[in-house]
Amino acid sequence: AQSVTQPDIHITVSEGASLELRCNYSYGATPYLFWYVQSPGQGLQLLLKYFSGDTLVQGIKGFEAEFKRSQSSFNLRKPSVHWSDAAEYSCAVAPNRGSTLGRLYFGRGTQLTVWP
Amino acid sequence: GAVVSQHPSRVICKSGTSVKIECRSLDFQATTMFWYRQFPKQSLMLMATSNEGSKATYEQGVEKDKFLINHASLTLSTLTVTSAHPEDSSFYICSASRSVNEQFFGPGTRLTVL
Repeated sequence: AQSVTQPDIHITVSEGASLELRCNYSYGATPYLFWYVQSPGQGLQLLLKYFSGDTLVQGIKGFEAEFKRSQSSFNLRKPSVHWSDAAEYSCAVAPNRGSTLGRLYFGRGTQLTVWP
Repeated sequence: GAVVSQHPSRVICKSGTSVKIECRSLDFQATTMFWYRQFPKQSLMLMATSNEGSKATYEQGVEKDKFLINHASLTLSTLTVTSAHPEDSSFYICSASRSVNEQFFGPGTRLTVL
């Protein structure tokens, strides 16, 4: 079955520590890949996306993600977390074929807590 | 730019009533709008895709007669939950797209059905 998996429901890190949020997908062909962040009362904000080309993608707020085709993964990373990064992070996939063109399918999200 | 609003942000209604949620793209024309639903601790689930002036396309398992979607203009889409029941209580989010694979999300509407 097609799916987007974020295995970590909740992650807690100390401010200044590094961060990696995991995302795996199960789709037939390489889909388009996205990471979004959501804070309470605000809409989902796009952090970064991968369509093709360089497998290491840079995004906003110092985030980056690496696409690994062999592992069907698109993990999000940040070298040093700030307290303001506390939020819900969601990985999304656009299968981008035929009738699913443009549609997004999401993982269940990872809630990030940052300790001072 | 690319701001999407939703109204209301929160609504409480009685079981059996209908509720309408508006989604507006404030500073751009959206050729396509999407409606999602999110239950606690679950993923954002795509409900339907709507294009201006045409009927919405619903995802498998979503009742089109219960969740009526109207996309009357390039800046407005509405979702009406008809005969709402407690199990329809959820967080409803819309997004608007001006090109393929580019969606801008609204802040969401919390629906509580008593």
